[in-house]
Amino acid sequence: ETGVTQTPRHLVMGMTNKKSLKCEQHLGHNAMYWYKQSAKKPLELMFVYSLEERVENNSVPSRFSPECPNSSHLFLHLHTLQPEDSALYLCASSQAFTPDTQYFGPGTRLTVL
Amino acid sequence: AQSVSQHNHHVILSEAASLELGCNYSYGGTVNLFWYVQYPGQHLQLLLKYFSGDPLVKGIKGFEAEFIKSKFSFNLRKPSVQWSDTAEYFCAVLFNAGGTSYGKLTFGQGTILTVHP
Repeated sequence: ETGVTQTPRHLVMGMTNKKSLKCEQHLGHNAMYWYKQSAKKPLELMFVYSLEERVENNSVPSRFSPECPNSSHLFLHLHTLQPEDSALYLCASSQAFTPDTQYFGPGTRLTVL
Repeated sequence: AQSVSQHNHHVILSEAASLELGCNYSYGGTVNLFWYVQYPGQHLQLLLKYFSGDPLVKGIKGFEAEFIKSKFSFNLRKPSVQWSDTAEYFCAVLFNAGGTSYGKLTFGQGTILTVHP
């Protein structure tokens, strides 16, 4: 596969469930990002990892927990979510240490019941 | 706080009409500028970008954008739209913090373009 892939593409979960979103980039990048895309709101940056180190946590509630085990993989662990967390979650990657284009995955459409 | 503003939420055009989508940002420092497009059911794709040099940049599918530093603007244009240009368009700005190891991209709220055949 090429580019940035995300799984699953759709996820429905209850408020007491625990689930994880997965992102993988095949571009040789060393910075990865999680964004949240809600209806009628701008994309919101959630987390940034650069060289596998978290460098940005944009005031995201602790019920979202990111993990970056290596430069190609990024996870978003979800637990005890709220219905207002329903959104499209996008992963992106780029080169670190230089202004660079971010390349986006197709997203995971999350619905919290 | 740094912000990005897109003037129109929804633009409706007929095929062959000219398009201009506005984008303004609030920041006086060095910026890198992007336009992304999201076609129905597809992921965000880069349309064009400005890093330095000629402020008039050309992208894919006949789109272009002009960076006007004095106006803090990066408007997207296309002389003649097609039905296949129906999509949502996002302006994004990389506010260079200088010395950081990543790019904090700030997006506008998006403009939905509907082109009627």
